[in-house]
Amino acid sequence: NAGVMQNPRHLVRRRGQEARLRCSPMKGHSHVYWYRQLPEEGLKFMVYLQKENIIDESGMPKERFSAEFPKEGPSILRIQQVVRGDSAAYFCASSLLLQTNTGELFFGEGSRLTVL
Amino acid sequence: EDKVVQSPLSLVVHEGDTVTLNCSYEVTNFRSLLWYKQEKKAPTFLFMLTSSGIEKKSGRLSSILDKKELFSILNITATQTGDSAIYLCAVERRNAGNMLTFGGGTRLMVKP
Repeated sequence: NAGVMQNPRHLVRRRGQEARLRCSPMKGHSHVYWYRQLPEEGLKFMVYLQKENIIDESGMPKERFSAEFPKEGPSILRIQQVVRGDSAAYFCASSLLLQTNTGELFFGEGSRLTVL
Repeated sequence: EDKVVQSPLSLVVHEGDTVTLNCSYEVTNFRSLLWYKQEKKAPTFLFMLTSSGIEKKSGRLSSILDKKELFSILNITATQTGDSAIYLCAVERRNAGNMLTFGGGTRLMVKP
C-alpha cells in the first residue's frame, strides 16, 4: 500500500512562473490537506479538500494560490506568478476519516519549491 | 488564533542522555495534541494525546498532556543518534478535521 505520493520532489522556478505540485493520497483516503513549511519554521495549514470540493481554505494566501482535488487524479496545488517568498516545502497529507481516533495523518515527503 | 510554542528550539545531547521537549498551546475547542517526528522527509506520527495525566509510551519515547496548564512534554530516554530529528507538536480542534496548528519544532541532535 503506497503512502502519500508527492511530485515533483524538487522544483525550481523563476519569479513570475507557475508552480504545480501534485499529491496522490493513500489508497482509499478521500481527505487531503496541504501544509507549507517555511525554512526553520513549523508546518502551516493551507487547505483541506475532499474529492471535487474545497472544504476549508482558510490558510491559503488570497491571491496566486489555488488547489483542487478532482474526481480522478491527484490533488494539485497551483501557485501562479511565484515570488521568492513562496520558496518552501509543501507537504500533502491524507486521512481516511475526517477526524481520526488515532490522530494519524499520513504525510507525503514534500515538494521543495525554490524560486530564483 | 490557535498558538503552539515549543521549547527549546534546538538541543544537542550525547547518546544515552535523556531529553525532555516541551509544548505549550492555546486553542479554542481543544480536541487533541499530537507529536510528530520529522527527519529529512515526511513528518511521522508519534503520539496523540486527548486526556490529562495519561502517559503514552512507545519504546524509549513517552508523552503526557496537562490540559489544565495547557502543555505537553515528550521524553526520550537513552537517546540514540537515530533520534536526531525535528520534533513537532500540533493541536487539533474539535470539528476541524485534521487542520492542525503546529509549533515551530524542536531540533534535536544526538551525538555519538
